[in-house]
Amino acid sequence: DTGVSQDPRHKITKRGQNVTFRCDPISEHNRLYWYRQTLGQGPEFLTYFQNEAQLEKSRLLSDRFSAERPKGSFSTLEIQRTEQGDSAMYLCASSFEVEQFFGPGTRLTVL
Amino acid sequence: GENVEQHPSTLSVQEGDSAVIKCTYSDSASNYFPWYKQELGKRPQLIIDIRSNVGEKKDQRIAVTLNKTAKHFSLHITETQPEDSAVYFCAACISGGYNKLIFGAGTRLAVHP
Repeated sequence: DTGVSQDPRHKITKRGQNVTFRCDPISEHNRLYWYRQTLGQGPEFLTYFQNEAQLEKSRLLSDRFSAERPKGSFSTLEIQRTEQGDSAMYLCASSFEVEQFFGPGTRLTVL
Repeated sequence: GENVEQHPSTLSVQEGDSAVIKCTYSDSASNYFPWYKQELGKRPQLIIDIRSNVGEKKDQRIAVTLNKTAKHFSLHITETQPEDSAVYFCAACISGGYNKLIFGAGTRLAVHP
């Protein structure tokens, strides 16, 4: 499969725990995006990388969220001290120029 | 602020009928407008997009129109089939770039045989 992949697909955690998600973009894509999607809503932009540089971060993203793309390939999204309100689908997308292609997402449930 | 409104939230049609979904955006610098289809439990899938230098684009049964003056864009599906049933999201790229997509809230389309 040459599409965007994400791991894990599902994560259940207790409130206060830290979680980390991984995204592997399509191999030739230099841009990578993280979005969050809650039930019944469209994806909400979180952050964007061009190669290894994080160029934009949503004002809605609290300091508990951090993302990295150390070598310009895969990316990780970490949520520290999770809260029940963090429960959502976390989607990654990648692009070479304009068109963004999404991964299957990681569904996070915070108990 | 940055906003994309999408209507209707639900749409039910008979197989073979046409379906139209409409979106409006707030950022006049927006220049790229993709549409995604999301089936239950699956990833959003890009089905068609349009850039601001074009007023209409068509791909088989799907077409998108853009009115930059009114800040409206629409998705048109003709000859609908049951497999078209899904949630459709419009989006706009803001601030004149091609990076940050703002999505509408989605339209749940049901096509009845």
